[in-house]
Amino acid sequence: SQTIHQWPATLVQPVGSPLSLECTVEGTSNPNLYWYRQAAGRGLQLLFYSVGIGQISSEVPQNLSASRPQDRQFILSSKKLLLSDSGFYLCACSWKGGSYGYTFGSGTRLTVV
Amino acid sequence: GIQVEQSPPDLILQEGANSTLRCNFSDSVNNLQWFHQNPWGQLINLFYIPSGTKQNGRLSATTVATERYSLLYISSSQTTDSGVYFCAASGGSYIPTFGRGTSLIVHP
Repeated sequence: SQTIHQWPATLVQPVGSPLSLECTVEGTSNPNLYWYRQAAGRGLQLLFYSVGIGQISSEVPQNLSASRPQDRQFILSSKKLLLSDSGFYLCACSWKGGSYGYTFGSGTRLTVV
Repeated sequence: GIQVEQSPPDLILQEGANSTLRCNFSDSVNNLQWFHQNPWGQLINLFYIPSGTKQNGRLSATTVATERYSLLYISSSQTTDSGVYFCAASGGSYIPTFGRGTSLIVHP
């Protein structure tokens, strides 16, 4: 079965500082990878998804970017954080066949101060 | 894309009660999942159920794809069942659409 490692669990960063959140996957190869953000009020917003190394699709234009340097590594970045970037960030993966659905990482709670 | 609506938005139960959560979707789906988000924020996959019925302990789920809805049943609820339950559905695209969730509080 696939396992997602996501770190750090919590992060407090000042406005204007850079951000790097990392997600790695075990137990599967060539997965689809996703970054979600959950703000207060519980809706899940898809930020980025990737079907392969170097392939990134953005769902919502904003102050964030994503990269996939290796098959099972997905990175969420920002050059300069805004207060509005605060939230709960979740990485997810799915198999290409889609037969087993999604698996989520444990999430990173980001507070921008 | 697919629209997903969940009801009720909030639910408060006494321990031991049963409940039914509903997920309606606007188009045919090839992927339908139920998740439980625990108080620490982690999303736990409960069921992958694009059609049919599945059971896992006190939880069961039924998806009637032709009528575009899915139901999650929780029997003999416990305080550990508290949290937010999400339904997610996808059709031709492999990217699911999430509902806004049902917030469940189970009192002892």
